[in-house]
Amino acid sequence: NAGVTQTPKFQVLKTGQSMTLQCAQDMNHNSMYWYRQDPGMGLRLIYYSASEGTTDKGEVPNGYNVSRLNKREFSLRLESAAPSQTSVYFCASSHTPGQGGYTFGSGTRLTVV
Amino acid sequence: TQLLEQSPQFLSIQEGENLTVYCNSSSVFSSLQWYRQEPGEGPVLLVTVVTGGEVKKLKRLTFQFGDARKDSSLHITAAQPGDTGLYLCAGVIGNDMRFGAGTRLTVKP
Repeated sequence: NAGVTQTPKFQVLKTGQSMTLQCAQDMNHNSMYWYRQDPGMGLRLIYYSASEGTTDKGEVPNGYNVSRLNKREFSLRLESAAPSQTSVYFCASSHTPGQGGYTFGSGTRLTVV
Repeated sequence: TQLLEQSPQFLSIQEGENLTVYCNSSSVFSSLQWYRQEPGEGPVLLVTVVTGGEVKKLKRLTFQFGDARKDSSLHITAAQPGDTGLYLCAGVIGNDMRFGAGTRLTVKP
């Protein structure tokens, strides 16, 4: 019972480098989300995908892109990393957008130097 | 400014004490959820409250949703070290779920 799997767990990037965070869920959920968590700020929504084939901006989308590859997988890409993107990133999924319990992955700790 | 304000931000108590943490907003939510997060892990859902005035109990944890569906509280009776963690509330407006910054609880043996 894997739930939501995120890779990698840790990453250090230099300013300007690019990378993709991977997320996969095995619960047949329709909706998937990417959040970032910063001290004192709580979880802030970057992008979400209400269903396969759709993506929408959340609260803090600037500097990020996403791809809903199929029902299981939702990736987050940083095209040109900046120090302000140093954070812990969480992927989550749910049956319906904004409803029911969200299942979270264990997070990716990203440091941009 | 956070849509959901949680208080206190930090709480350190002795095992066996009771405590209440709060989640407040000026917005009305269709539902509100509480999560607990442990270091190095993602948040885990504790409960969802939907109806104004609703009270739900989960063993020693009691959750209440305000009558106007703008606020919520979490009461823990006889806290144990295993209750240590970050408690997050999250409110649903339409398809959007917004999280508070959390209350970091430490229960000392």
